Amino acid sequence: GAVVSQHPSRVICKSGTSVKIECRSLDFQATTMFWYRQFPKQSLMLMATSNEGSKATYEQGVEKDKFLINHASLTLSTLTVTSAHPEDSSFYICSAPMRRGGRTNEKLFFGSGTQLSVL
Amino acid sequence: KQEVTQIPAALSVPEGENLVLNCSFTDSAIYNLQWFRQDPGKGLTSLLLIQSSQREQTSGRLNASLDKSSGRSTLYIAASQPGDSATYLCAVKTGNNRKLIWGLGTSLAVNP
Repeated sequence: GAVVSQHPSRVICKSGTSVKIECRSLDFQATTMFWYRQFPKQSLMLMATSNEGSKATYEQGVEKDKFLINHASLTLSTLTVTSAHPEDSSFYICSAPMRRGGRTNEKLFFGSGTQLSVL
Repeated sequence: KQEVTQIPAALSVPEGENLVLNCSFTDSAIYNLQWFRQDPGKGLTSLLLIQSSQREQTSGRLNASLDKSSGRSTLYIAASQPGDSATYLCAVKTGNNRKLIWGLGTSLAVNP
């Protein structure tokens, strides 16, 4: 089946540093990547949608200068949490619909998530 | 505004039981509904996707039904196993902006 590889799986950093999270689609083209975050005991919250070759679309309340998204190729999207603070500590997950042969499948494939802890 | 509710929030059953997880949504104008599984500290795995025109989908021991008019979906798990222990999430894709609206999930524990 389709695989989305997400790295790192866990990161602990000091307040004020920046953290980059990568998501790669290993065997399909991901022209779109959804970035979510999830707080304990809560459901997934969509942060932004990245599209290959164009600017990401951010959800209301999500700071685009704080959460930088780059989708430079059909297989790689990155989320950078800039100047991280303790309140940014969360579980970040990416997902992508599979695109093969010019058609996009509705089924979503998820990365394994990144647990970010900001001290 | 579409809202998705999952009941129960948590469920603990002995191995071998058949069980039903419930998902309800407030706006019946959906594009599709999906069921996912999430293991602790991990990403999600798509289990079943039901298009708005469909009434059910089956995969192995899993069966998901959709009743758009009543705003309900159920995930039926037959002959549950300890390996089924996980959080099960329901998500609805609305017809207008195609975004996924998520439920809070049902945390399932299957005890050996």
